[in-house]
Amino acid sequence: NFMLTQPHSVSESPGKTVTISCTRSSGSIASNYVQWYQQRPGSSPTTVIYEDNQRPSGVPDRFSGSIDSSSNSASLTISGLKTEDEADYYCQSYDSSNHGEVFGGGTKLTVL
Amino acid sequence: QVQLQESGPGLVKPSQTLSLTCTVSGGSISSGSYYWSWIRQPAGKGLEWIGRIYTSGSTNYNPSLKSRVTISVDTSKNQFSLKLSSVTAADTAVYYCARGARDGYNSDYWGQGTLVTVSS
Repeated sequence: NFMLTQPHSVSESPGKTVTISCTRSSGSIASNYVQWYQQRPGSSPTTVIYEDNQRPSGVPDRFSGSIDSSSNSASLTISGLKTEDEADYYCQSYDSSNHGEVFGGGTKLTVL
Repeated sequence: QVQLQESGPGLVKPSQTLSLTCTVSGGSISSGSYYWSWIRQPAGKGLEWIGRIYTSGSTNYNPSLKSRVTISVDTSKNQFSLKLSSVTAADTAVYYCARGARDGYNSDYWGQGTLVTVSS
């Protein structure tokens, strides 16, 4: 099995761009899809990116996802930040070794 | 629009068994394209995957919880359930049920979550 490591927190100003990383501890980041979930306070998580870089309908194109095999990490990029983007963000991936799922520890995004 | 709703006791005594049910509406739980999961979140902490069930009845569990977890499905009621035995205060959390896509392991629909407190 493996771990997904995210920064504990990031902050940026409205209108700017922020990138949140998710680094896989072992095995290739490309071996299983990565999802990104947004969780606002008091709410259930919702998908903002699935299968590495796909956006569900209704998610603005300000949200984008990518993977980088050289750093063995996935990234969530949010451009044109809005105050409504302030939330916790979690990456998640499938673990083929035990058919489980692994979540990153979450990143608190502050837009100020 | 698929909706999931968790139900069950909000308070469980230590050493007892936590039991929750997730009722699915707006779609059939028998769809072969999906699986059904339980995920939990202690207050102020991150998400922890508990396990999943396919409508065939096949299950996968988090290795750290496997000895205490049972997930089952009742297709006639469009429900699936979680049982977690020998609970302690460390099992206090918001418990979510969710639908996952078999081809990418994205959980695309989640319940609102239910808080379960383990206390005497």
